[in-house]
Parts: sequence; C-alpha cells; structure tokens
Amino acid sequence: DQQVKQNSPSLSVQEGRISILNCDYTNSMFDYFLWYKKYPAEGPTFLISISSIKDKNEDGRFTVFLNKSAKHLSLHIVPSQPGDSAVYFCAASANSGAGSYQLTFGKGTKLSVIP
Amino acid sequence: DAGITQSPRHKVTETGTPVTLRCHQTENHRYMYWYRQDPGHGLRLIHYSYGVKDTDKGEVSDGYSVSRSKTEDFLLTLESATSSQTSVYFCAISENRDSHYFGNGTRLTVT
Repeated sequence: DQQVKQNSPSLSVQEGRISILNCDYTNSMFDYFLWYKKYPAEGPTFLISISSIKDKNEDGRFTVFLNKSAKHLSLHIVPSQPGDSAVYFCAASANSGAGSYQLTFGKGTKLSVIP
Repeated sequence: DAGITQSPRHKVTETGTPVTLRCHQTENHRYMYWYRQDPGHGLRLIHYSYGVKDTDKGEVSDGYSVSRSKTEDFLLTLESATSSQTSVYFCAISENRDSHYFGNGTRLTVT
C-alpha cells in the first residue's frame, strides 16, 4: 500500500507563475518530509524539507507547507522558471530508533515550465 | 556536490548471471542506501547500512544482498539476475535527516 502519494503525474505551468505540487501520506509515524528534484540521467537532489513540528518552511523561491491533520504537504515554486522543469519527488521518513533515516518516496510529478 | 560515485553507470547482463553494483563515498557518512527507480513506482528502498557490516532490508529486498566492509563502499549484489530487476539503481548516503545525497545511478538491463 502506497504510504506517500503524488496523485498528479504531470503539471504544466507558464514561466513566472506559481507551481504547486501536492503530496499526501498515510503513515502517522512520518515526522519529516523532503522534496527532491530530479533531472534525466541524474540522481535526485535535495530541495527543501520540513519537520512535523512546523507548518511552513521557505527557501528562496521554494516553500513547503505541511497540514498534519490532513496528512498533506505541498511545494510552492514562485516564480516558476524553465530550469525548474524536472520530476519532483515527495519523500517522508520516520525515526526508526536505529538512527537510519530511510525515505519513503512518492511516484513523482513531472513539472514542465513553459517559457 | 557530495562525493558519491556509482559504478558501472550502465550494464547489460543476461538472466541468471550474478551482478554487483558498487557505491563509493568520500564523505565519511554513516548511512548508505540502495534504491531502485521504476516507472510508476518512484524510488523504493532495497537495503541500507547504518555502519560497517551493519545492514538491513528495505521494502524490496528479495533477490538482492548487500555488503559493507568499509565505511566508503556499499555493494549491491544480484545473485542471479532476473528481468524484473531491470531498473535504475541509486545509491544514497546520509548523516542526518537532511543530508540524503544521491549518486547518478546505474542503469541495469537484464535480458
């Protein structure tokens, strides 16, 4: 059963507008959430994260919002740029006690920013 | 960029043959992971390591084994490759919850 869901396989946005990527999770033990960006033929690169004790984290053009009661998070990119075109993965982790921070990933959303 | 190297970058092998993928890091991070990426599945954890000779299974560990004899190297072995193991394999390293760094992947094709 999928514990992290990204229900939109793709999203197209005009350059300069806002991109909103959504992610839902089912496991209540998840307490840390991350967004990764992936270009073709490269590994995922870390974008931004948020702890469950917060509801918002901002880094430049990227903001992540967390709604714990709804088990929902979203990534906002403002303004969107053509270089943002990539696949975005939502990931979540739970403190396993052993200290390892395994990530559970969603299936990804392919963002296309149209010039 | 984090010092993490995967080898080989591409490999084609036949069903039933053994295959070993290597992940090498220069960051001295404690944790190392192997994920596979398949269309429609995102990335799924195969095995991970929390120290030298300390490893554990992930979500999709059947058919795979791992070894970590040194901090810097984490090997993934397919004892007898099957077509269902055709995938892109990513190694990752971490020291805390934010520092999950990924290699550039190994594309494995089992014919």
